[in-house]
Amino acid sequence: RKEVEQDPGPFNVPEGATVAFNCTYSNSASQSFFWYRQDCRKEPKLLMSVYSSGNEDGRFTAQLNRASQYISLLIRDSKLSDSATYLCVVGRLGDYKLSFGAGTTVTVRA
Amino acid sequence: GAVVSQHPSWVICKSGTSVKIECRSLDFQATTMFWYRQFPKQSLMLMATSNEGSKATYEQGVEKDKFLINHASLTLSTLTVTSAHPEDSSFYICSARLVKETQYFGPGTRLLVL
Repeated sequence: RKEVEQDPGPFNVPEGATVAFNCTYSNSASQSFFWYRQDCRKEPKLLMSVYSSGNEDGRFTAQLNRASQYISLLIRDSKLSDSATYLCVVGRLGDYKLSFGAGTTVTVRA
Repeated sequence: GAVVSQHPSWVICKSGTSVKIECRSLDFQATTMFWYRQFPKQSLMLMATSNEGSKATYEQGVEKDKFLINHASLTLSTLTVTSAHPEDSSFYICSARLVKETQYFGPGTRLLVL
């Protein structure tokens, strides 16, 4: 079983729409959680950390459910520039290693 | 934010040659650097963890004699793919850790072995 699993999508949405997707992680000892964004043929870039109480950064809202071991990302008022692959990333306590999901592709159309 | 560079950005080489990739943290000293590999439509897979002045720690299934890592200073780590073969063709990305779990990624190196 993969450590981090994501729905690959693609999610194809019109501009202005809301899109949401989840990922699940298998290691209950995971301590840190992130969403990264990866554009085609580029390196991942940190979008936001995910905190237990849930957190928001502009149009992006992340939620963490430790009991069910899933993380979600919601994008409101989608922009064309939001088109990318969103990587769910989970960190372990102590060794700072990160485990990456394969990504969820979002395409925002005009 | 913290900047990490990688060089070269892409390499095309013949089978059997060795390829060296450099990863530099430009404006900070990185406690730890990580090397990842990403095949098309797959997730980043951690290959090894590199600490300055000590031997790298390799993930299970990664051959340390094939992927040589040297971490000469707090701002430079190198990955050498020895005797590269077509199956080594991939996107190699390094990252540098500053504090806690936050990793800053280099722009990646695309390797194509013919």
